Amino acid sequence: ETGVTQSPTHLIKTRGQQVTLRCSSQSGHNTVSWYQQALGQGPQFIFQYYREEENGRGNFPPRFSGLQFPNYSSELNVNALELDDSALYLCASSRGGLISGNTIYFGEGSWLTVV
Amino acid sequence: AQSVTQLGSHVSVSEGALVLLRCNYSSSVPPYLFWYVQYPNQGLQLLLKYTSAATLVKGINGFEAEFKKSETSFHLTKPSAHMSDAAEYFCAVSDPGSSNTGKLIFGQGTTLQVKP
Repeated sequence: ETGVTQSPTHLIKTRGQQVTLRCSSQSGHNTVSWYQQALGQGPQFIFQYYREEENGRGNFPPRFSGLQFPNYSSELNVNALELDDSALYLCASSRGGLISGNTIYFGEGSWLTVV
Repeated sequence: AQSVTQLGSHVSVSEGALVLLRCNYSSSVPPYLFWYVQYPNQGLQLLLKYTSAATLVKGINGFEAEFKKSETSFHLTKPSAHMSDAAEYFCAVSDPGSSNTGKLIFGQGTTLQVKP
């Protein structure tokens, strides 16, 4: 049990639609990051939020966006869904802020299927 | 750019045998290194991490890993495999100097099968 909770656990969307995934960080964790894990692959870093601002992004297009709220919970939004967006989306939190090396805790993920 | 290579996408061992999962990294600076385990339909659980302290790191469930700078390796071992160790294992690296503290670079993963 990592204390990071995600919702929904599973969802199915149609190509072109928009989706919002939610994450509640472990208590006291001020940094949240999102990852995409395609079937049979390792997780890929999407972006990171610290103090409600995005301060790092991986190789993902702008239709992937996010929010971090004052209570450090977070959302991942994906617009104009494509079939290749089908994956497990993982939220992770840590207390490190801009100090690296702190343990990063992952939630159980949201399975997104785009049809 | 940092990268991680996990040698062997599938490893099969007998119950009670040594587990050895290989991880090599590429980084311009000494990185932080992590091993995570993922059970079917679940998220990632941290097994252990190396952050420039002792090079031999002990983790949960009897796993340990040794950081070898000269070999750019961080292999994961366990002396005696249990059936419950069957899972997907991921090696990951982060850049200590980066402000992207939530960013990990993952390998492709190794599926560990434990035979009775």
